[in-house]
Amino acid sequence: DAGITQSPRHKVTETGTPVTLRCHQTENHRYMYWYRQDPGHGLRLIHYSYGVKDTDKGEVSDGYSVSRSKTEDFLLTLESATSSQTSVYFCAISESVSGGYTFGSGTRLTVV
Amino acid sequence: QQQVKQSPQSLIVQKGGISIINCAYENTAFDYFPWYQQFPGKGPALLIAIRPDVSEKKEGRFTISFNKSAKQFSLHIMDSQPGDSATYFCAASGLTGGGNKLTFGTGTQLKVEL
Repeated sequence: DAGITQSPRHKVTETGTPVTLRCHQTENHRYMYWYRQDPGHGLRLIHYSYGVKDTDKGEVSDGYSVSRSKTEDFLLTLESATSSQTSVYFCAISESVSGGYTFGSGTRLTVV
Repeated sequence: QQQVKQSPQSLIVQKGGISIINCAYENTAFDYFPWYQQFPGKGPALLIAIRPDVSEKKEGRFTISFNKSAKQFSLHIMDSQPGDSATYFCAASGLTGGGNKLTFGTGTQLKVEL
């Protein structure tokens, strides 16, 4: 997806290990979001950012932390991965406070 | 608590038919209602969106119908094509100081058969 890159695309990790997912944008958009997608649940907001060093929790933030030290990068960290965090994670960006999102291609994370 | 309820979960439509997906919301502060289309292995992509000051918006074969009093909105895909086979998500958001945090429905898997 133009202007937004997620890495890695796929990851398998063991229970209890820390994991960091990266979202990188080249659009200079202020707002960035992390969602997880699970069957039957749609997309649920984990954390979001409305500027450098400005972040807040979403509806499913337990077990996750985020950091945004630069406009272009938004990192999602699972401090100690659990099997319930097996999911597809999507990063999204938004230019304005009242507009649509552009999503990345996602990271498929499997915790074994 | 699910603030945006989407139905049906899955839908099979014949080529050339009309696909209809419905969503209902609870939060009266919502004022932006987009629909996203997602193909396997890809991220969702914005398809069409509406604000509550209009009751209908049409873009090509895609139409959003919005009923503010009933707190419902729907996506209509006219002349459905096999290439429309995808998962569709409705969403809603309201302006806050922390950006327009979208709340998504649970998705509808659409299959258009020949």
